Amino acid sequence: AQSVSQHNHHVILSEAASLELGCNYSYGGTVNLFWYVQYPGQHLQLLLKYFSGDPLVKGIKGFEAEFIKSKFSFNLRKPSVQWSDTAEYFCAVNSGSARQLTFGSGTQLTVLP
Amino acid sequence: EAGVVQSPRYKIIEKKQPVAFWCNPISGHNTLYWYRQNLGQGPELLIRYENEEAVDDSQLPKDRFSAERLKGVDSTLKIQPAELGDSAVYLCASSLGPAGPQHFGDGTRLSIL
Repeated sequence: AQSVSQHNHHVILSEAASLELGCNYSYGGTVNLFWYVQYPGQHLQLLLKYFSGDPLVKGIKGFEAEFIKSKFSFNLRKPSVQWSDTAEYFCAVNSGSARQLTFGSGTQLTVLP
Repeated sequence: EAGVVQSPRYKIIEKKQPVAFWCNPISGHNTLYWYRQNLGQGPELLIRYENEEAVDDSQLPKDRFSAERLKGVDSTLKIQPAELGDSAVYLCASSLGPAGPQHFGDGTRLSIL
């Protein structure tokens, strides 16, 4: 069974700091990878996705993520965070055979103004 | 485009009472999902529909939970009877196909007294 680990439960940064949120998954086959974001009081929104091709994917609002197959990782990055990035971030994996989206437990990001 | 619509947003009931949640997916999305999200965790899949057929309900506690998607559009999720441990946010999502990005509704926050 596939699983997703997000090791940072809560990250606190000041505005303009750089961000990297870790995501590791366990599945040996072909995977589709996603980062979702949930702003306070809002629904889950897709931030970016990786299906194939260039392992460095760019999403909305200046976020990017890099798929490193050898490390089973799909870390989320942003060079300079803003107060409006305060939200909960979820990594998710969908393997080709299971067709089931498995989420990590989420990382709460708090950006201090 | 209109997003995934769920109702109600909040529901408070006493244990052993029945409860139902409703979901209207994005128009044209054949795949519909119900998730449960416990506090501090990521969403966990309960059931997935392809049109009106439930193709993955392995995580649905069938002794008390039921779901239907008549006509392959709207869906309802029911709990009868509710238990204290059912307190959670119930999310509905839809996608064009089983491998595509999922779009989430605002969820129904269920509290059991």
